[in-house]
Amino acid sequence: GNSVTQMEGPVTLSEEAFLTINCTYTATGYPSLFWYVQYPGEGLQLLLKATKADDKGSNKGFEATYRKETTSFHLEKGSVQVSDSAVYFCALPDPLISGGYNKLIFGAGTRLAVHP
Amino acid sequence: DVKVTQSSRYLVKRTGEKVFLECVQDMDHENMFWYRQDPGLGLRLIYFSYDVKMKEKGDIPEGYSVSREKKERFSLILESASTNQTSMYLCASGVGVLGGTQYFGPGTRLLVL
Repeated sequence: GNSVTQMEGPVTLSEEAFLTINCTYTATGYPSLFWYVQYPGEGLQLLLKATKADDKGSNKGFEATYRKETTSFHLEKGSVQVSDSAVYFCALPDPLISGGYNKLIFGAGTRLAVHP
Repeated sequence: DVKVTQSSRYLVKRTGEKVFLECVQDMDHENMFWYRQDPGLGLRLIYFSYDVKMKEKGDIPEGYSVSREKKERFSLILESASTNQTSMYLCASGVGVLGGTQYFGPGTRLLVL
């Protein structure tokens, strides 16, 4: 089945630093790719997604480009803020065994801490 | 905005108790999911449902059951809680069968003593 691997954290940065969180995947075909974010004490929220190769998803200053050549979907932000401190999850669909219904497979999560 | 609500943010239960976690979504989504989230393990799918009264096992269904009597409500049941079920439980809803966007509730942190 499909799988996703993302860099381990925690990642600690100063405010206004550049952020990269690596995500690589293995998949059959070219599934949609997602980044979710979980702020402290909350559930996951969709941050951005890309539905086909070479697509760039973007939201709140974050970007990720769907690279089929390197099977990657790295998350980047040019200037992080303290409010970006959260756990970030890379995800992609994986077909379930029964019924053909897809589920999402999530990476283990990368914790980002941004200091003033 | 899609809203997914969970009945409790924090729960403390004793070993052997029957535990109900409820989830309600207000966007008429066909699909609903229950995950548990543990440090270092990420999110693991327990059960999901693609229609009323329909359910499918996820990766770790043992010790859990689910109920979906109405489209908007999806319940997770721990038949006899055990300490290894102490975890954060996240409910999600979504549409489509091709791994479309899922929308998450705030989570229930369950402690089993």
